Amino acid sequence: DTEVTQTPKHLVMGMTNKKSLKCEQHMGHRAMYWYKQKAKKPPELMFVYSYEKLSINESVPSRFSPECPNSSLLNLHLHALQPEDSALYLCASSHGWTGNNEQYFGPGTRLTVT
Amino acid sequence: QKEVEQNSGPLSVPEGAIASLNCTYSDRVSQSFFWYRQYSGKSPELIMSIYSNGDKEDGRFTAQLNKASQYVSLLIRDSQPSDSATYLCAVYKFSQGGSEKLVFGKGTKLTVNP
Repeated sequence: DTEVTQTPKHLVMGMTNKKSLKCEQHMGHRAMYWYKQKAKKPPELMFVYSYEKLSINESVPSRFSPECPNSSLLNLHLHALQPEDSALYLCASSHGWTGNNEQYFGPGTRLTVT
Repeated sequence: QKEVEQNSGPLSVPEGAIASLNCTYSDRVSQSFFWYRQYSGKSPELIMSIYSNGDKEDGRFTAQLNKASQYVSLLIRDSQPSDSATYLCAVYKFSQGGSEKLVFGKGTKLTVNP
C-alpha cells in the first residue's frame, strides 16, 4: 500500500487567517516532504523531515510553518498568507531520505488565498 | 543549463502507437531517476524508477538511462487514451551541505488520440 492521505482537499482562506494542512502515511516511511505546485509548473520542494527532524528548509517564508508530531504525521501551519501562495500543496513520503528512495505523493490540498 | 530538462510538448500520438518522452539532467553525480504521471488536477503518481544504465521494463512502460549522456527516457507502448497526462521526469540532486533533493523537469504533456 503506497497511500498518503491529505486533509483538507480544498481550502479557502483569507490573508489574516490561520489554518493547517495535514498529511498522514502508514507505510512506515521515515522521510516526509512538503511540495508546492503552481498551475502548469512542476512541484517545488519546501521542506523535508527525516526521522521527525527538519532536514531541509528551502528558504520558505516564515508564514509557512511545518511540524512533524510523529513519524506518520506531517502538518503545515499557515498564517498571514498572500494571494500568490495559492497553489496545490503536496505531501510525499519515502522509506528513507537518500537518493535511491521513491517518493509517493498524497492527493494534495488545493489552497486559495483571498 | 537547467537541472532537469524535458520537451514541454505537447506530444500527440495515435492510440496504439509508441510514445517517447525524453529528459536530460545537468548533475553528473545524480544516481536516481524517476518518471511520474500527473493527470490534470491530480497529484503526481510514480510510474517508474531507474538507477542503472540500460532499460527497465514494467508492463507497457520502459525507462531507459544513459548516464554518460545524462539522458533518461520513457517509452509507452500501445498508448491508450488513458495515458493522456503530463509526464514529469525527476532526478535526485545533491545540494549544498550534502543533502539530496528531488528536482523535477517541467513535464511533457502527452495526448493519445483515439
